[in-house]
Amino acid sequence: DTGVSQDPRHKITKRGQNVTFRCDPISEHNRLYWYRQTLGQGPEFLTYFQNEAQLEKSRLLSDRFSAERPKGSFSTLEIQRTEQGDSAMYLCASSPRGSGDNEQFFGPGTRLTVL
Amino acid sequence: GIQVEQSPPDLILQEGANSTLRCNFSDSVNNLQWFHQNPWGQLINLFYIPSGTKQNGRLSATTVATERYSLLYISSSQTTDSGVYFCAVGPYNQGGKLIFGQGTELSVKP
Repeated sequence: DTGVSQDPRHKITKRGQNVTFRCDPISEHNRLYWYRQTLGQGPEFLTYFQNEAQLEKSRLLSDRFSAERPKGSFSTLEIQRTEQGDSAMYLCASSPRGSGDNEQFFGPGTRLTVL
Repeated sequence: GIQVEQSPPDLILQEGANSTLRCNFSDSVNNLQWFHQNPWGQLINLFYIPSGTKQNGRLSATTVATERYSLLYISSSQTTDSGVYFCAVGPYNQGGKLIFGQGTELSVKP
């Protein structure tokens, strides 16, 4: 078990470009979460999947953001027409779905800088 | 929505000292986790503790769910304990998402 992985670890882009991040959860974890963390703040929830179904999206997730989890395995988070305010650390987490076991495990994050 | 407050916001210790970090939350939860964020941004799981007491080496944690607070104890602190400690809670019937506090930034001086 190699833990949650994310790719890339760092991304620098120019304003207006599209970016896509990937998250590979711990194998057999049914739930996958995306969070965003800006400097000096705690992570904030963006969206989550149970298997391939996207079950909740935060108000933080504007229409420029889209997330997918085809086949219930890895997930991608795409940001279209990036803005400087999108600069943040994007964190992915996974957890098993089972009664009484909701512990989430986080990946190393993707740090996005929008110039 | 649920509010999560951590105290103190900042803490400076001499190596070897003990400390207590507190997390208050405003509603019932079915998940509570403590994390240590390392300088590269990785969140390291310390405890999954929706209720009760757990210990892991020099660290221990207690959650009193009925009174809506949790405590993280660090004993005999080391410089490697420096960093930001987050408490995060999972409200009932909200899909397991975590709501994070603002964190406690701990600095341990040699």
